[in-house]
Amino acid sequence: QSALTQPRSVSGSPGQSVTISCTGTSSDVGGYKYVSWYQQHPGKAPKLMIYDVSERPSGVPDRFSGSKSGNTASLTISGLQAEDEADYYCCSYAGAYSYVFGSGTKVTVL
Amino acid sequence: EVQLLESGGGVVQPGGSLRLSCAASAFTFSSYAMNWVRQAPGKGLEWVSGISASGGITNYADSVKGRFTISRDNSKSTLYLQMTSLSVEDTAIYYCAKATGWSLDYWGQGNLVTVSS
Repeated sequence: QSALTQPRSVSGSPGQSVTISCTGTSSDVGGYKYVSWYQQHPGKAPKLMIYDVSERPSGVPDRFSGSKSGNTASLTISGLQAEDEADYYCCSYAGAYSYVFGSGTKVTVL
Repeated sequence: EVQLLESGGGVVQPGGSLRLSCAASAFTFSSYAMNWVRQAPGKGLEWVSGISASGGITNYADSVKGRFTISRDNSKSTLYLQMTSLSVEDTAIYYCAKATGWSLDYWGQGNLVTVSS
């Protein structure tokens, strides 16, 4: 149950694209099509942004997209906006009603 | 709109116990798995425990196994987390989260548990 590995921080200017990686193992990210991504603003509860690797919940802008290759999943934010500045966490289902979260990435809009 | 309202947090001494509750509304509680996720001050998210819709399957993070017990009362649409043998490392905001498929689509506002002497 080790945390998935994410970069500590990424940054970009408004309008640019940023990509956050999330590396796990064959027991979590690589073993299931159930990677999700959460956005968390300071003092707030996390919000689901991507589920099942690349699906967007209703209401999430299409600037957010997800993908996966092997044991690594990725979240891309295209056309970065000021309100996208937040912490982002990946999460993988790990079987038997268990999950593992990533270490978290702070996205800064320059 | 789906609402998850946690309660039961507070300050407890090391070695003590506490029970968190999560009251759910605006969805068919008995049809969904539920989870507890925590966040220590200034740290990342950590999955703590999960329970199937019927309550028949439960699982725990290694860090809490044997000390925490997750349960649910579908007749009351309420999720619980019984925490025993608490240590300072358990100090965190505890969130309950509803699962749809294998993602956590709705979260409560969080409930702070502080373990301190």
